[in-house]
Amino acid sequence: EDKVVQSPLSLVVHEGDTVTLNCSYEVTNFRSLLWYKQEKKAPTFLFMLTSSGIEKKSGRLSSILDKKELSSILNITATQTGDSAIYLCAVNPGVGGGATNKLIFGTGTLLAVQP
Amino acid sequence: NAGVTQTPKFRILKIGQSMTLQCAQDMNHNYMYWYRQDPGMGLKLIYYSVGAGITDKGEVPNGYNVSRSTTEDFPLRLELAAPSQTSVYFCASSYQGSAYEQYFGPGTRLTVT
Repeated sequence: EDKVVQSPLSLVVHEGDTVTLNCSYEVTNFRSLLWYKQEKKAPTFLFMLTSSGIEKKSGRLSSILDKKELSSILNITATQTGDSAIYLCAVNPGVGGGATNKLIFGTGTLLAVQP
Repeated sequence: NAGVTQTPKFRILKIGQSMTLQCAQDMNHNYMYWYRQDPGMGLKLIYYSVGAGITDKGEVPNGYNVSRSTTEDFPLRLELAAPSQTSVYFCASSYQGSAYEQYFGPGTRLTVT
C-alpha cells in the first residue's frame, strides 16, 4: 500500500531558528513529491520535486529529494511567526511510464514559531 | 481570477439528509479533485475528474457522488449523510494532473449530527 509519513508530527521553535521537516514515502513508480503549506484554510503550493529536479529553493525555504532514501526534507531558515502552519508532503505514485491522477498525502507537520 | 471557489463555507446536516457542495474554478483547468481532511489526518482523495464528462473514484468514494458537466464546475453530492462524513472538504484543480501543482479552494466545514 502506498504511504507517506511525515516527521515530526509537531514542532515548536523560536523566531530565527532553522527547522528541518521530514517526509518519507513508499509508493510504486514514484513520479513527484510536492510540499504544501496549510495555514487556517486551503493548502498552498510550495515545491515540486522530481527525478529531474531534486532540489528547490525559494527565499528562506528549500527542499531536497533523496530518491535513494525515498525521502525529502523541507528546510526553513530564520523562521518567522508567519511560518506557523501545517506543512503537508504529498507523493504522486505513477503507473507504468506515467503519472496517476492520485496524490498520497502525509498527515503533516504542525510548526509553531514563537516570537 | 477568483481561482477555486467553494460554497458553502460551513454546514450542519442531520443524519440522513443530503446536500451538494459546490466547487468552481476559473482557470480553465481540466483536472479537478475533491478531498476530505479529518483532524490529524492528511487529505484523502474522494473523486477526481480529468475533464468535462469524465469522473473517477479516489481513495474514499463511498457515500459520495460527483458530476462534471462543464470544465468550470465540479459539485460533490452527499446522499444520506452519516456522522463519519463530518470533515473539512477541499476542492482543487490543476492544469497538468496531480503530479503537478494543485490549487485548492478555501474548504467547506461539514458537521453531521
